[in-house]
Amino acid sequence: NAGVTQTPKFQVLKTGQSMTLQCAQDMNHEYMSWYRQDPGMGLRLIHYSVGAGITDQGEVPNGYNVSRSTTEDFPLRLLSAAPSQTSVYFCASRRSGGNTEAFFGQGTRLTVV
Amino acid sequence: GENVEQHPSTLSVQEGDSAVIKCTYSDSASNYFPWYKQELGKGPQLIIDIRSNVGEKKDQRIAVTLNKTAKHFSLHITETQPEDSAVYFCAARNTNAGKSTFGDGTTLTVKP
Repeated sequence: NAGVTQTPKFQVLKTGQSMTLQCAQDMNHEYMSWYRQDPGMGLRLIHYSVGAGITDQGEVPNGYNVSRSTTEDFPLRLLSAAPSQTSVYFCASRRSGGNTEAFFGQGTRLTVV
Repeated sequence: GENVEQHPSTLSVQEGDSAVIKCTYSDSASNYFPWYKQELGKGPQLIIDIRSNVGEKKDQRIAVTLNKTAKHFSLHITETQPEDSAVYFCAARNTNAGKSTFGDGTTLTVKP
C-alpha cells in the first residue's frame, strides 16, 4: 500500500492563478480531509468528506473547493490564489468510525507570490 | 466548537530525561484523543491514542494520561533520545461528529 499520496510536493503560484492539489489513498478509507499548517497554528481543517459524493466545510474553507467523485481521490482546488494561502497542505484519510487513526500524506508546500 | 490548547510550544531536554506535553480541551463530548509526531518534511504520524473510557495508556517509552473531569490529557516520553526530536500534536475528536481539532504543536528538541 502506498498510503496517502499527495502531488505536487512543492508549488509556486502567482496571485490570481488557480490550481488543484491532488490527494489519493489506496486504503479504501471513507473519511478524507484537507488541512493547512501554518507556523505556530497547528493543523486547521479546510474541507472534509465522509464518503464519495459527500463533502463539507471545515474551519477555514474560504478560497478552496473540493469534490469527492471516488473513494480514492479528494482533490483540493484553489480558485484564485492569494498570498494568505501560502502554507503547507496535508491530506489525511481514515476509516469511518470515531476511534480510528488518521493517515497523513507527505504534504504540499505552496507559495503564492 | 472544540478548542484544544497545547503547552509548551517548545521544549528542550537532555537525552535520557523525561518530556511532558499537556493539552486541554473544551468540548466534554470529545471522546478520542490521538497524539501525532511530525518529523521535518513529513506528515504527522500517530504515536499513541486514548479513548475516554481509559485513564492511562502506555507503549514502551511513551504514555498518555487523560483526566476527563478536568478536560486535559498529557503525553509522557521517558528516556528521551535524539530521534524523539520532532513536532508533537495532540488532537481531540467527538466520534459522533467525526472532525478532529488539533493543538498548535510542541517542538521537542532532545540534546545529546
